[in-house]
Amino acid sequence: TQLLEQSPQFLSIQEGENLTVYCNSSSVFSSLQWYRQEPGEGPVLLVTVVTGGEVKKLKRLTFQFGDARKDSSLHITAAQPGDTGLYLCAGLRGNTGKLIFGQGTTLQVKP
Amino acid sequence: NAGVTQTPKFRVLKTGQSMTLLCAQDMNHEYMYWYRQDPGMGLRLIHYSVGEGTTAKGEVPDGYNVSRLKKQNFLLGLESAAPSQTSVYFCASSYLGQGYGYTFGSGTRLTVV
Repeated sequence: TQLLEQSPQFLSIQEGENLTVYCNSSSVFSSLQWYRQEPGEGPVLLVTVVTGGEVKKLKRLTFQFGDARKDSSLHITAAQPGDTGLYLCAGLRGNTGKLIFGQGTTLQVKP
Repeated sequence: NAGVTQTPKFRVLKTGQSMTLLCAQDMNHEYMYWYRQDPGMGLRLIHYSVGEGTTAKGEVPDGYNVSRLKKQNFLLGLESAAPSQTSVYFCASSYLGQGYGYTFGSGTRLTVV
């Protein structure tokens, strides 16, 4: 059973388009993180959201944590080929220090 | 550069062989983790450690053992490799606290034939 469901799993778009990736769960998380992973490398942290309803922006990327702290979204405006990669959401349960990862969303941005 | 270093980067094992994956971090992080990544499965936690001399089981611990004799090192062992353990293995570390993200190594690609 996957505690964190990401959608879509694959996304192929043209440069300049907007997109949203969703991360959903029936469980409450104390915080949620988004990572980006390139082929042959480990995931790299993009952002951590802690408060329900919190919105964080990182250049063209906007991250939102759901009010009930069960879901999150990543919105990319005017996607660039450099945004291509695997995007992973990960939730922290309580204060265990253990992250639970979603399956990931593979994004391809064509020039 | 500061970070998490994993060795080796690639390895091919025959079924039944044993090996140890090494992970070292130089950020003085308390927590360390071993994950495996398989297509369509995301990252699954194998074992983790909340401090020197302590280890705990994660989501998929069977067939693996770990040790953390020094704060900066976390070792993952396969005593008798099986084809089902073919995967990419990632080590990560973090500070204690919900606001801190993980720092990952670049991974070890293991194939068991």
